Amino acid sequence: EAEVAQSPRYKITEKSQAVAFWCDPISGHATLYWYRQILGQGPELLVQFQDESVVDDSQLPKDRFSAERLKGVDSTLKIQPAELGDSAMYLCASSLPNRHEQFFGPGTRLTVL
Amino acid sequence: LAKTTQPISMDSYEGQEVNITCSHNNIATNDYITWYQQFPSQGPRFIIQGYKTKVTNEVASLFIPADRKSSTLSLPRVSLSDTAVYYCLVGDIGQGGKLIFGQGTELSVKP
Repeated sequence: EAEVAQSPRYKITEKSQAVAFWCDPISGHATLYWYRQILGQGPELLVQFQDESVVDDSQLPKDRFSAERLKGVDSTLKIQPAELGDSAMYLCASSLPNRHEQFFGPGTRLTVL
Repeated sequence: LAKTTQPISMDSYEGQEVNITCSHNNIATNDYITWYQQFPSQGPRFIIQGYKTKVTNEVASLFIPADRKSSTLSLPRVSLSDTAVYYCLVGDIGQGGKLIFGQGTELSVKP
């Protein structure tokens, strides 16, 4: 069964450093999402791509976060500089266009010291 | 965006049927109701989706009354492995909308 791949699974960094997360969606899924999940809360949508275009980045803190999906396949989410409050699970999901069923990857657990 | 309200937590025992109700009083005409399950340290997993009446799959049933202002996820004969957080989402992806995850319901199944 096809799965969404994410790396790294765990990342520990110091405040003010740069970090990057990678996501490879299920083949053929044009829609890709990045979520942030703080412990005890539901996932919060950061950015949504349709192919290589950003559809929604209204909740993305653009002063420090950036996301790209250059060829419309895999995607990278970057934080620069990282802050203590960025410690969370970062989840990537993909879906077919206009479908409610999203397939999530295992996530990247970020700890900022 | 339709706001959803669901219980913060529920307890059950193995073998029982569990019903989790979600309120969504301002659901829009084109909105669908979608439920996800999430285990600790994993991403959410799609369970079921519906628009009205009843939907059933191999995992769960979803009951939606005629006014669609609430929905109930029914898990038959739960086991310890059903211990997870369950999220109710309301929205219409097809109309450019997005699905918002709330806090979810933490279900604890005991032996």
